[in-house]
Amino acid sequence: GQNIDQPTEMTATEGAIVQINCTYQTSGFNGLFWYQQHAGEAPTFLSYNVLDGLEEKGRFSSFLSRSKGYSYLLLKELQMKDSASYLCAGRGTGRRALTFGSGTRLQVQP
Amino acid sequence: EAGVAQSPRYKIIEKRQSVAFWCNPISGHATLYWYQQILGQGPKLLIQFQNNGVVDDSQLPKDRFSAERLKGVDSTLKIQPAKLEDSAVYLCASSLDTSGRNEQFFGPGTRLTVL
Repeated sequence: GQNIDQPTEMTATEGAIVQINCTYQTSGFNGLFWYQQHAGEAPTFLSYNVLDGLEEKGRFSSFLSRSKGYSYLLLKELQMKDSASYLCAGRGTGRRALTFGSGTRLQVQP
Repeated sequence: EAGVAQSPRYKIIEKRQSVAFWCNPISGHATLYWYQQILGQGPKLLIQFQNNGVVDDSQLPKDRFSAERLKGVDSTLKIQPAKLEDSAVYLCASSLDTSGRNEQFFGPGTRLTVL
């Protein structure tokens, strides 16, 4: 199967930087997504990486290394509203839907 | 631009009963997905439609779950009969095409509780 692994929970302080890691099997995926999901709400798109390297978008950045099967989401200047689950998802080759990890629940503390 | 619409938002039924969910994707989006999200887990794909054809239903429990997308727009997902383990949020998502970034837009979901 196509496994995606990410930590279950993380805690960070308001104003700090946090990095959420995601590892996956290198075969079978073409593109890596990050989604944010607040409790009781639908996932919303954050970022997409298909090539190696860092993609920056405001306070959020995402990195991908295809050879290592590794990605991370970097959140800077944390705000209380960033408390949410962050889902790593791989898009399969061909016309396949996303395979999601179980999500990392981030709690931002004052 | 209107987002993905789903109804109902909440549903409580007893085991062995039947239930149906409805989804209206973003206008013009050819691809529609149904995901099941159990509490504490990531969404799991149940079925993917491209227009009105099924692309992937390998993880759909076909003995009790069925889905259709008549005319390539709205879709319904049905469970008959429901089991306790079907309690979850059922998310519908749509995307413009299946190439490139293929960003998926999710609806608010239907929270199903099976008693």
